Formats: sequence, structure tokens, C-alpha cells
Amino acid sequence: GNSVTQMEGPVTLSEEAFLTINCTYTATGYPSLFWYVQYPGEGLQLLLKATKADDKGSNKGFEATYRKETTSFHLEKGSVQVSDSAVYFCALTGYGNKLVFGAGTILRVKS
Amino acid sequence: GAGVSQSPRYKVAKRGQDVALRCDPISGHVSLFWYQQALGQGPEFLTYFQNEAQLDKSGLPSDRFFAERPEGSVSTLKIQRTQQEDSAVYLCASSFRRTGADYGYTFGSGTRLTVV
Repeated sequence: GNSVTQMEGPVTLSEEAFLTINCTYTATGYPSLFWYVQYPGEGLQLLLKATKADDKGSNKGFEATYRKETTSFHLEKGSVQVSDSAVYFCALTGYGNKLVFGAGTILRVKS
Repeated sequence: GAGVSQSPRYKVAKRGQDVALRCDPISGHVSLFWYQQALGQGPEFLTYFQNEAQLDKSGLPSDRFFAERPEGSVSTLKIQRTQQEDSAVYLCASSFRRTGADYGYTFGSGTRLTVV
């Protein structure tokens, strides 16, 4: 079945540092890919998505490109802020109408 | 409402007790999903409704888990005879589309269940 592997955390960065969180996937067919973010005490929020190969999703300064050749969807941001501290989940569409999530990566940004 | 509302926010249950978790989706949303999120893990699919029809319950871990959405809006996830391994955050999500996965969902804040 479809599955997602993302880099283990926590990732600790200083403010204004460059962020990369790696995500690779295994899938049959052509799934859509997502990044969700979970801020402390809040529910999951859709951060960005890409529905086909070479698409780039972007939102709030975050970007990720759907790379079919490397089965990857790495999350990047050029300059992180303390307010970006959260748990980030990579996900893809599985069989039927469900989402399949990775284990999540904790990001801590220090001022 | 403006978002997906779940109640209670926290629930402590004694082992063997039955619990009921409620989800109020966004008004008019056709699709409703339940996910289970164990500590330090990503959410895992439990079940999916389209209106009042439960179209997929393949993720329910045992026959102690039961979900319903009788009028196609509010949904209840019931866990009978709770066990310690049921301790997790239970997330509800909804989408206005019948095939919502490609468009993402709106998640509630979840119910944290602790079985003691």
C-alpha cells in the first residue's frame, strides 16, 4: 500500500535559518501529496499540496515540489521564524478517499 | 460552524468503560473522516462517511470500535470496553467534496483519550 517516510526530528534551528524536512513516498499510481502542520494545542492544518508530478505547492513561505523520479516531496523554507515551531506531517492520498500520513517531524525554532 | 468541532477535548476512561466521542463537521460538508493519532505518530485512518453512508471502515482496529453519522451531519465514534492501547488523540475531518482527498480536509482539534 501507499506509505510515507519523513525525516526524524526534532529539528532545531535558529531564527532566519534555512529549513528542509525530507519526505519520500511509496505509492501505486499517481497520488496527490500534502504537507500538514500542527501547532501546539491545535488541529492539523493543510499547509500546501501538489496533485501531479513537477507541481510546486507553496504557502506562507514554505515550498515543496512533487518529484516523481525521486518519489520525494521535501518541504523547504528560506528563513524560518519562531512562530513556525510546530509538527509537520507529509501525507499522500491512499486507496479510496483516505490520507496516509508520515510520522511527523517536530520543528523548533529558537530566537 | 466555522470549523470542525470535537467534544470532549479530553477524556479519561477506566479500562473497560465505554466512551463516545462527538464530531460536528462544517455545515454542508459531505465527507467525514475519523483518524487515530498515537503519541509521536502520524494520524491513521479509521473510517469514512459520505453523508450518512459509512463507505469505508477498514481502519477500525477491532469490533469494539463503532462509528455512526445517522443524519449525515454530526458523527459519533464509540469505543466499547476501552483498553490501554486505545489511548490516543482521535481526529475528525470533513470535506465538502465527495472525493475530498485531493483537496485536503479540515481537521478538528481532536479528543485526547487516556485509558487508565
